[in-house]
Amino acid sequence: DAGITQSPRHKVTETGTPVTLRCHQTENHRYMYWYRQDPGHGLRLIHYSYGVKDTDKGEVSDGYSVSRSKTEDFLLTLESATSSQTSVYFCAISESVGLAGKTYEQYFGPGTRLTVT
Amino acid sequence: SQQGEEDPQALSIQEGENATMNCSYKTSINNLQWYRQNSGRGLVHLILIRSNEREKHSGRLRVTLDTSKKSSSLLITASRAADTASYFCATDLTGANSKLTFGKGITLSVRP
Repeated sequence: DAGITQSPRHKVTETGTPVTLRCHQTENHRYMYWYRQDPGHGLRLIHYSYGVKDTDKGEVSDGYSVSRSKTEDFLLTLESATSSQTSVYFCAISESVGLAGKTYEQYFGPGTRLTVT
Repeated sequence: SQQGEEDPQALSIQEGENATMNCSYKTSINNLQWYRQNSGRGLVHLILIRSNEREKHSGRLRVTLDTSKKSSSLLITASRAADTASYFCATDLTGANSKLTFGKGITLSVRP
């Protein structure tokens, strides 16, 4: 999985508790992404980062926050977990974009299966 | 609404047959990418085609892009049971600032 690890791989938590998922890369890629995957919805972008301490919202960012204090780590926090956040979460990385901001391929981690009860 | 929409949603074929999957999108793109996901795993990049390209090959994969119709096709020739997976198209929208928009995916089953 291209030098990307996610932890934990599985987690069960209760409604209302905070949860932090970690993505770690050894590729020194500038861009990192968090997605959630749900049946019938495909992959949806939660947040992404384009450098250390540089982050931006994606399509489904409500209820999530992120932090990136160093190149290799991108953390996703569910501030107060809800049952609607039960999902599989994927981290992805990408090299620096080329001229004109064109995006190149993304490399995905193995995923974290989160269940909120 | 979903930017990249794949068609069909599910496809079942016999080993050795060709599999064709389609993706349509709505707005201008820089490139379009196809990914594969095996059950319980992360997505794996297969092929990228830029907006100024019409066809691209990689092994048994052939991708076409028709920007006038805003559509792409992924052809897998001589399919194998190991090709059983979900396939996603992803669009890099013009002005999207390094983000991809994924479709909902196509489930391909290849029967031995």
